[in-house]
Amino acid sequence: QSVLTQPPSVSEAPGQRVTISCSGSSSNVGSNPVIWYQQLPGTAPKLLIYIYNQRPSGVSDRFSGSKSGTSASLAISGLQSEDEAVYFCAVWDDTLNGWVFGGGTKVTVL
Amino acid sequence: EVYLVESGGGLVQPGRSLRLSCAASGFTFDDYGMNWVRQAPGKGLEWVAGINWNSGITGYADSVKGRFSISRDNTKNLLYLQMNSLRAEDTALYYCAKNNNWGLHSQSAFDLWGQGTMVTVSS
Repeated sequence: QSVLTQPPSVSEAPGQRVTISCSGSSSNVGSNPVIWYQQLPGTAPKLLIYIYNQRPSGVSDRFSGSKSGTSASLAISGLQSEDEAVYFCAVWDDTLNGWVFGGGTKVTVL
Repeated sequence: EVYLVESGGGLVQPGRSLRLSCAASGFTFDDYGMNWVRQAPGKGLEWVAGINWNSGITGYADSVKGRFSISRDNTKNLLYLQMNSLRAEDTALYYCAKNNNWGLHSQSAFDLWGQGTMVTVSS
């Protein structure tokens, strides 16, 4: 069981918007920046969103992150077939003194 | 070109040891913290261990604390994971991941990942 809770899957039609939630606690999401990673099938994870909701060079501005209290969200707008992947949230946990991940959310483009 | 290449995985019996290596290239290795993250077959990601730029700070997941040890050799641009007393539940693809800064703390993110090396613990 993951420390951070994500929905197992979400699906939406091309061009639409999806939101993935990441629920934690005061010792992790409530205190620290939430990071988002994208894992395409058969590949290593890739950094998508990091501190202050920044995107690495080359990541589309269709991806955006937000946080409120002990929950965070990743939004993907203008959904494209290439966005089909598993998305993981991650955050530093002050109690565990280490990184924790969500269980991952599989995005399907209908 | 910037990349990380893991090696050292394989099939090992429960209770035995294995050492993983990660070779870094294309960036100033000793400017960055480094991590090991694993993924069991069909499962999610689990942070295993991290180390800051000069080996002064290390951290471990509770699941491996006391059994695994992370280290680095900045003269050779290599990261290691010594895994002792291996268990079946340690079976996973082990990724080496680079921090986007020098430390091991909440303000970091993993901005470069290797392709992973598979560790299978079975008798």
